[in-house]
Amino acid sequence: DTEVTQTPKHLVMGMTNKKSLKCEQHMGHRAMYWYKQKAKKPPELMFVYSYEKLSINESVPSRFSPECPNSSLLNLHLHALQPEDSALYLCASSQSRLVAGASNTGELFFGEGSRLTVL
Amino acid sequence: SQQGEEDPQALSIQEGENATMNCSYKTSINNLQWYRQNSGRGLVHLILIRSNEREKHSGRLRVTLDTSKKSSSLLITASRAADTASYFCATAPIGGFKTIFGAGTRLFVKA
Repeated sequence: DTEVTQTPKHLVMGMTNKKSLKCEQHMGHRAMYWYKQKAKKPPELMFVYSYEKLSINESVPSRFSPECPNSSLLNLHLHALQPEDSALYLCASSQSRLVAGASNTGELFFGEGSRLTVL
Repeated sequence: SQQGEEDPQALSIQEGENATMNCSYKTSINNLQWYRQNSGRGLVHLILIRSNEREKHSGRLRVTLDTSKKSSSLLITASRAADTASYFCATAPIGGFKTIFGAGTRLFVKA
């Protein structure tokens, strides 16, 4: 069983809809991640939060808007998505502290993902 | 861009056989990790090997790391049908914040 919980498991939305993906962990981890994964491809990093602050944005389009309300929660707000955005969205957390000059040294704990379909 | 590349892309073996997957990477790393992913599910961490380690074992898993060749291998011994999954290596570059995943190897173990 994963200790990172993602909701919803499945989401179908139109291109004009606004929806959100949610992620929660109670392991006390202070780094949280969003990855996007297309079929038969590896996960691609989208965003990293460290101590509730956005540390990394991998040039993700603004139609994806991350939010970290507190140390346990991570949201991904979706607006005006395109069909090519359909994918499995994975949330992960780690104990690593991401600060300037320091490396990520910890294992990632993944949720089961949210399968997004954009019509 | 991806840090790690893996081969083979797909591997089909009989139950009881050993499975070996290889991973190559491009830059200096802090550590290398292996993950398993069952179809449509999240990734599960299997094992982490640090840059100053050469070999590590965990149950039926054996991981080697050759930093001079920038490569790693994952050996699963006495495979089981339940080992059927995709396996990804992931690297944490020195001075970098990101864990970057290789292309993955799809393993199919026939009962």
